[in-house]
Amino acid sequence: GDSVTQMEGPVTLSEEAFLTINCTYTATGYPSLFWYVQYPGEGLQLLLKATKADDKGSNKGFEATYRKETTSFHLEKGSVQVSDSAVYFCALSDLPGANNLFFGTGTRLTVIP
Amino acid sequence: EAQVTQNPRYLITVTGKKLTVTCSQNMNHEYMSWYRQDPGLGLRQIYYSMNVEVTDKGDVPEGYKVSRKEKRNFPLILESPSPNQTSLYFCASSLKGGSYEQYFGPGTRLTVT
Repeated sequence: GDSVTQMEGPVTLSEEAFLTINCTYTATGYPSLFWYVQYPGEGLQLLLKATKADDKGSNKGFEATYRKETTSFHLEKGSVQVSDSAVYFCALSDLPGANNLFFGTGTRLTVIP
Repeated sequence: EAQVTQNPRYLITVTGKKLTVTCSQNMNHEYMSWYRQDPGLGLRQIYYSMNVEVTDKGDVPEGYKVSRKEKRNFPLILESPSPNQTSLYFCASSLKGGSYEQYFGPGTRLTVT
């Protein structure tokens, strides 16, 4: 079945460090891929998405590229800020319009000044 | 403002005392869903609804009920809460399903003693 595996946390970085959070997926079709972010005390919100191979999603300085050959969708940011401290969830959906959204277990990022 | 609201935000109750957590969205979304979030387990889906009067079980439906009588509302009912239902609950909605951006409510932290 479909699934998402993301790197375990927690991840602690100094401000302005480079961030990578790994995400790989298993899917039978051609899924859409997402990164959601959960700031402290809040619900999840969509950070970025990509709907086909080689697409790059980007938002707020974060990027992720849909790599079909390695079934990956790693999240990157060149220079993290304290305000990026949050839990990041990778997710996939491979059936438009259906109840079909699989989340990873989340990676907690803490950025220290 | 487009939003998903949940009430209450915090609730402490005792085993066996029926409770309802309300969820409402103002975006005319067809799809709504309930999740619970537990440490180390990520997000798990409880129930979902593809449209009015259409509901179905998610991954962890035992001990929960839902109804969808109106498009905007999707209450979660715990008929006889137990301590293992202590968790953080999120309601979410989207235009049509999992592959569309999910909008999450702020969460309800439930403690059952």
